Amino acid sequence: GAVVSQHPSWVICKSGTSVKIECRSLDFQATTMFWYRQFPKQSLMLMATSNEGSKATYEQGVEKDKFLINHASLTLSTLTVTSAHPEDSSFYICSASEVGIYEQYFGPGTRLTVT
Amino acid sequence: GQQLNQSPQSMFIQEGEDVSMNCTSSSIFNTWLWYKQDPGEGPVLLIALYKAGELTSNGRLTAQFGITRKDSFLNISASIPSDVGIYFCAGLQGAQKLVFGQGTRLTINP
Repeated sequence: GAVVSQHPSWVICKSGTSVKIECRSLDFQATTMFWYRQFPKQSLMLMATSNEGSKATYEQGVEKDKFLINHASLTLSTLTVTSAHPEDSSFYICSASEVGIYEQYFGPGTRLTVT
Repeated sequence: GQQLNQSPQSMFIQEGEDVSMNCTSSSIFNTWLWYKQDPGEGPVLLIALYKAGELTSNGRLTAQFGITRKDSFLNISASIPSDVGIYFCAGLQGAQKLVFGQGTRLTINP
């Protein structure tokens, strides 16, 4: 149980375009989902926290107009990187947790390369 | 943002050796967690620690939550090839926010 999937697993896009990444909880209802970014050989940095039906809470320094997060259902959250640039190339990982439970279940990640 | 200080950054060991890594923080955490990340994958939870001084085992893994609640260590005994990966400590901040250490990259020579 507690499986989280991400789609796509990798994506290459051209500079200036937008790309959407999906995060799904497959066998539980995720009241809260988290989006992380991980640069090569670095740690996971939390970008934003989203609760189902509410606006996401972004960490300091993360542009909310560039990284659009939607958590419209209890099993799906999406991250849209708008007007992507090469410096946005990174490994994006989502996680999900159930109501009242602190434990986060992580997805397998999405590698974004912006050319 | 805040990060935990994790050491060592990397380890190169022989198969069968024991491994030890630790994390320290200037802040108190009420829950410490240890994760393993394989290349190109998301982290997987190994051990969760809830009480200061707590010592918890999961197979060949043992982790302790420091008395001051500002540190934790993870030991792996009798390492095997599948232990290769990056190990992260994380502290739970508030109800759900995780703060991660920089990671320890473990390489095992057969």
